[in-house]
Amino acid sequence: GAGVSQSPSNKVTEKGKDVELRCDPISGHTALYWYRQSLGQGLEFLIYFQGNSAPDKSGLPSDRFSAERTGGSVSTLTIQRTQQEDSAVYLCASSPGRGASPLHFGNGTRLTVT
Amino acid sequence: AQSVSQHNHHVILSEAASLELGCNYSYGGTVNLFWYVQYPGQHLQLLLKYFSGDPLVKGIKGFEAEFIKSKFSFNLRKPSVQWSDTAEYFCAVKQNTGGFKTIFGAGTRLFVKA
Repeated sequence: GAGVSQSPSNKVTEKGKDVELRCDPISGHTALYWYRQSLGQGLEFLIYFQGNSAPDKSGLPSDRFSAERTGGSVSTLTIQRTQQEDSAVYLCASSPGRGASPLHFGNGTRLTVT
Repeated sequence: AQSVSQHNHHVILSEAASLELGCNYSYGGTVNLFWYVQYPGQHLQLLLKYFSGDPLVKGIKGFEAEFIKSKFSFNLRKPSVQWSDTAEYFCAVKQNTGGFKTIFGAGTRLFVKA
């Protein structure tokens, strides 16, 4: 596609439920990143994929968070047993890979945990 | 640990005023440096980047940034701001070795009064 696509754009869920957030990167982009944007907190790094492997998952806040990427393309971020503090905008970005290539961002998924 | 600091969280300027947003990073290795902008209701997009060569880089819409290696800084400047520059600005650092992780600062919200 022309850009990074994320779905859903908005998600409201009850505390304790699991949610899945999807990211479709730009075709051919080998690197894929997940960030979390909270008010006043900037962009918090969650996890980074190169191809299907995740060399750096150091930003995942807890073991309730997991992510996978299949076929070097689509990625899913899963949050289990959601908590109110998980409410944020979850951003996905992709890039051609190493070097100075910048990130291309999707519009994000706004997650609200009630 | 690698980190990025943006000194100003909120900046209010009148049109035609000059702008300088500070950014410092902590990482001893080779880095690529970026400024991203998020206009109201839009996704993050690249403003400019530095990867090598001339430390003064020019981006879109009249923005420029200077990389000062000895100070670990990459400040963003614009001689004369416009109302349409109202946005949130993020400084980002990408490691050029190892994990190629991109870390963002907390962001600076700029409001330009017409």
